[in-house]
Amino acid sequence: GAVVSQHPSWVICKSGTSVKIECRSLDFQATTMFWYRQFPKQSLMLMATSNEGSKATYEQGVEKDKFLINHASLTLSTLTVTSAHPEDSSFYICSARVIQAGTYEQYFGPGTRLTVT
Amino acid sequence: AQKVTQAQTEISVVEKEDVTLDCVYETRDTTYYLFWYKQPPSGELVFLIRRNSFDEQNEISGRYSWNFQKSTSSFNFTITASQVVDSAVYFCALSARTGANSKLTFGKGITLSVRP
Repeated sequence: GAVVSQHPSWVICKSGTSVKIECRSLDFQATTMFWYRQFPKQSLMLMATSNEGSKATYEQGVEKDKFLINHASLTLSTLTVTSAHPEDSSFYICSARVIQAGTYEQYFGPGTRLTVT
Repeated sequence: AQKVTQAQTEISVVEKEDVTLDCVYETRDTTYYLFWYKQPPSGELVFLIRRNSFDEQNEISGRYSWNFQKSTSSFNFTITASQVVDSAVYFCALSARTGANSKLTFGKGITLSVRP
């Protein structure tokens, strides 16, 4: 089956530093990748949508200069949280979408837990 | 605009009880998909089902069953004879069926606790 990995699975960083999270589709090429953020006991909120080779589309209220998304290949997207602050501590989940048998299929990564101290 | 409402926030049952998780949705799309996902404490989302808006047949998979009613815009999920391993947060979600820009909209989730 289709597998999406994220690295790291968890990270602790100091306030003011930047953190990069990788999302890879291991056995398929993803036309589109999505980044979600989930605060404790809350739902998944879409942050941005990215297509390979083009700029990401950010949801309203998400700072594009703070959350840098790079989608350099059909199997890799990265999310960089720049100048992280404690309020950025959250669970970040990526998903990769591919067309299979004429239908869009979306697969989720296992998530990355970010703690900013 | 799309919206998914999961009015129940937390449900606690004793093992072997049946439990139904409610989901009500709003969409202007004529074709769409409905989903249920399970999120155990580990955090990884587990896909449970996708239902096409064209298909209103109920579905059963082992102890899980889903009731899709377009007339009431509901897509409810029932777990029969619940088990402790069913304890998790369950999300209902909606997306347009077509279009490269279709996005998943999640409900707020229902925390299910199954006690031994």
